[in-house]
Formats: sequence, C-alpha cells, structure tokens
Amino acid sequence: EVQLLESGGGLVQPGGSLRLSCAASGFTYSSYAMTWVRQAPGKGLEWVSTLSGSGNSTYYADSVKGRFTISRDNSKNTVYLQMNSLRAEDTAVYYCAKDSVAGLDFDSWGQGTLVTVSS
Amino acid sequence: EIVLTQSPATLSLSPGERATLSCRASQSVGSYLAWYRQKPGQAPRLLIYDASNRDTGIPARFSGSGSGTDFTLTISSLEPEDFAVYYCQQRSNWPRLTFGGGTKVEIK
Repeated sequence: EVQLLESGGGLVQPGGSLRLSCAASGFTYSSYAMTWVRQAPGKGLEWVSTLSGSGNSTYYADSVKGRFTISRDNSKNTVYLQMNSLRAEDTAVYYCAKDSVAGLDFDSWGQGTLVTVSS
Repeated sequence: EIVLTQSPATLSLSPGERATLSCRASQSVGSYLAWYRQKPGQAPRLLIYDASNRDTGIPARFSGSGSGTDFTLTISSLEPEDFAVYYCQQRSNWPRLTFGGGTKVEIK
C-alpha cells in the first residue's frame, strides 16, 4: 500500500523559511516523479512543484519560482520542499503526491501539512 | 496558462440520483484530463485519468468522457460518500499543470 506522510508545517513569519518533508513507502520510489500541490483555506488546488524520479529535473509554478526548492533523497524515500521568502499568500495545506504511471496526474496523496504565514 | 472552468459551482442532488459535472478548457488539452474527488478534511483522490479511464479501485458508477475542450464526469447513482468537491486537472500544458475551481456536490 502506498503511503505518503508529510511533516514540517507550522506558523512562520512573512519573509521566513520552512522545509517540508514527505516520507514515502509502498512503491518503487525512485521510479516516480513526486509533486507538491497546495490548497489555500477554503480554496481550490494549485500545483506547486514537480521533481523527476531521478531528481535531475525540477519544475515550479511561477508563483513560487526562485523562492521554493524541491529535492529528494532516494536513499530515504523522502521528498522535500524548501520554502524561503514566505508570503501570506503561501498559507495553505501542502500535499505531496505521487505521479501516476501515465504521469502528471496523481494517484496517491499524503494527508497534507498546514503552513501558515503570519506575523 | 490553460484555464479550466467547472460548472456548476454547486450541484444539489439526493442519494441515488445521477450527477453530471462539466469541465471546460480554455484551449484543447486533448485527452489529458483527470478528475479528483475531495471529501471534507481529506486529500483528493484520483477518479479518472486521460478523460475516461477509471483509476484502480474506482467504482463503475464513475465515468468520464470528452476530449479537446469539453469534458464530463458522470456519477450514475450517488452514494453518501460522493457528496464532496470534484476537481478536474489538465496535464497537456506541461509544466503548467492547472486545476479547475471545483464543483461541490451537496445533499439536497
């Protein structure tokens, strides 16, 4: 059974940093791209970033480019999202998700971790 | 960026009724469209990928159709767990994945 467990969320001041982690199990981790998707309170879903299975290719939404960095440690089956220069509009539940076999849609999701950016 | 517009915003139906949800793209996405269900307080769950293929374990009451710019998710007979929010998502315009704004299916 695929399991994704996020951690690292919390309250941070504007301009601050936070690192999210997502520990994966139940599948051949290095064979799949991993993605972060966020959901602001009461709002819809927004794609944030994707990292290829090898870790060689990274992709970002324009809204986070230059501020967020996605990475993975295939020896630990973990994907990370380093978030710098945080803004109030980054407040959201952050989900990590596993790409499907077809690619670029998401067949498994974590439970999410809440990031609140506020002074 | 490809904009996905979902309609209606809210659908009020009774258990056992048929639900028809629409997703319209601002430009063609081919068949690269997925549907998700999100129950309150939970993560989304993939229902349909590539417009019409049910994900593993998804019941046959869910079906998807369409191509190009117009897509439909049909739930043939609503179960209690189907009262939730549904999102469509395109993967045609990589790396600019986008989601629709959602349709809430509520109990009438």
